Amino acid sequence: QVQLQESGPGLVKPSQTLSLTCTVSGGSISSDGYYWSWIRQHPGKGLEWIGYVYHIGTTYYNPSLKSRLTISVDTSKNKFSLKLSSVTAADTAVYYCTRTLGYCSSTSCYHEYWGQGTLVTVSS
Amino acid sequence: SYVLTQPPSVSVAPGKTASITCGGNNIGSKSVHWYQQRPGQAPVLVIYYDSDRPSGIPERFSGSNSGNTATLTISRVEAGDEADYYCQVWDSSSDQGVFGGGTKLTVL
Repeated sequence: QVQLQESGPGLVKPSQTLSLTCTVSGGSISSDGYYWSWIRQHPGKGLEWIGYVYHIGTTYYNPSLKSRLTISVDTSKNKFSLKLSSVTAADTAVYYCTRTLGYCSSTSCYHEYWGQGTLVTVSS
Repeated sequence: SYVLTQPPSVSVAPGKTASITCGGNNIGSKSVHWYQQRPGQAPVLVIYYDSDRPSGIPERFSGSNSGNTATLTISRVEAGDEADYYCQVWDSSSDQGVFGGGTKLTVL
């Protein structure tokens, strides 16, 4: 059974960079056919797809976040990461990492496994 | 960008059938996926590619998709089904992953 675990600071100051890591266990991040995604959920709100990375480094970024966003993968450590720069209070949310299956950017893809989520608060 | 519209809330009595809709322009031409999110928990995939069920998801959960509406149907509703439900598609025209706004299912 694949498990994902988010880690990183729970509090980030405005204008700084939010950095999170997702550790994958029970499966290889280098396996073909899987994307590795970040999703966030603002308090009391719905889900927002932030972006994904494929093990060879291919990425997709939500257009609304693209200018501030970097998603990367470290296959040697079976981890992938999110960096969101110049954060504001509007970036306060629960951040989830997921294993995504399908053919994103062609037909469709879906989030098969989810981490438990981590709350990141942006505040001075 | 592509918009998915869900009713904010649906209520159903135990043992009855709940239908949660997800509206979008020609959504029948896309593959729709559904997630259940219980309070304080991470979402769980309950339906993928319109009507397929992951292992471990009860047969009471089913999905359909045609025209401008996709539907998640939960038969013989139980108290444990009370949760928020989200639909999701990949919109290839805008190259963007999209979630619906979510529907809160209340079991009366």
